[in-house]
Amino acid sequence: DAGITQSPRHKVTETGTPVTLRCHQTENHRYMYWYRQDPGHGLRLIHYSYGVKDTDKGEVSDGYSVSRSKTEDFLLTLESATSSQTSVYFCAILGSGGAGELFFGEGSRLTVL
Amino acid sequence: GDSVTQMEGPVTLSEEAFLTINCTYTATGYPSLFWYVQYPGEGLQLLLKATKADDKGSNKGFEATYRKETTSFHLEKGSVQVSDSAVYFCALSDQTGGFKTIFGAGTRLFVKA
Repeated sequence: DAGITQSPRHKVTETGTPVTLRCHQTENHRYMYWYRQDPGHGLRLIHYSYGVKDTDKGEVSDGYSVSRSKTEDFLLTLESATSSQTSVYFCAILGSGGAGELFFGEGSRLTVL
Repeated sequence: GDSVTQMEGPVTLSEEAFLTINCTYTATGYPSLFWYVQYPGEGLQLLLKATKADDKGSNKGFEATYRKETTSFHLEKGSVQVSDSAVYFCALSDQTGGFKTIFGAGTRLFVKA
C-alpha cells in the first residue's frame, strides 16, 4: 500500500465551472503524476511534479493546471471544465525501487455536463 | 517520441488456456518496461517489470521478457484463471526527463469458467 488517496472519488459538474482534484500521499515520495484514462487511449500524462513547487507538463496539459505546495499534496485544477474533460483521473507516485515503477491511487471519476 | 503498442482486445479465453498479449515499443533511450493490471473500479497495479535487455519479469504466473532486438515485451501466462479477468497495460519509463511513463491503450481480458 503506497498510501495514496484521491478526492473526490466521484464528481459531476457543469461546463464552465472550476474543479480541483486532490492527491494525498503519506510516504514522502518526490515524484507525483496526474494521468487521465479514456477508452482506447490508455493513460495519458497531464502534469507531473518532481518536488515542492516544481512541476512540468505532460502530453495533454491544455486546460489543466497543478500545484504542489507540500510534499504530500498534488492538486489538479480544471479552471473551466469542458465536456472533453470527462474522464477518470489517476494520481500516481514514483516508487523507490529505481526502475520507474508507479503506484496509483484509486481514481477520480469526473463527469462534465 | 517514445510509444507503446499493444494488441487490441478484448481477449476471451477459457479457464486454463494459455495467454499471450503482444506489446512492442519504440524508444530513443534504454527504458524500463512494465506490465500493469487494472481490476474493475480500481487503479492500476504493477504486475511485473524488466529494466534491461533479456531481463525476464515474472509475478503471479505471468512472465514477460525484454527483447531489445524485436523491441517487444509480450505478456504470457500458462494457465489463466477467472480471477485474471482485467485490463492489462504495457508501459515504458525512461529515467531521463522525469521518469515519465508511457502506456499502451490496454487489453481487456475475459476468462470464462
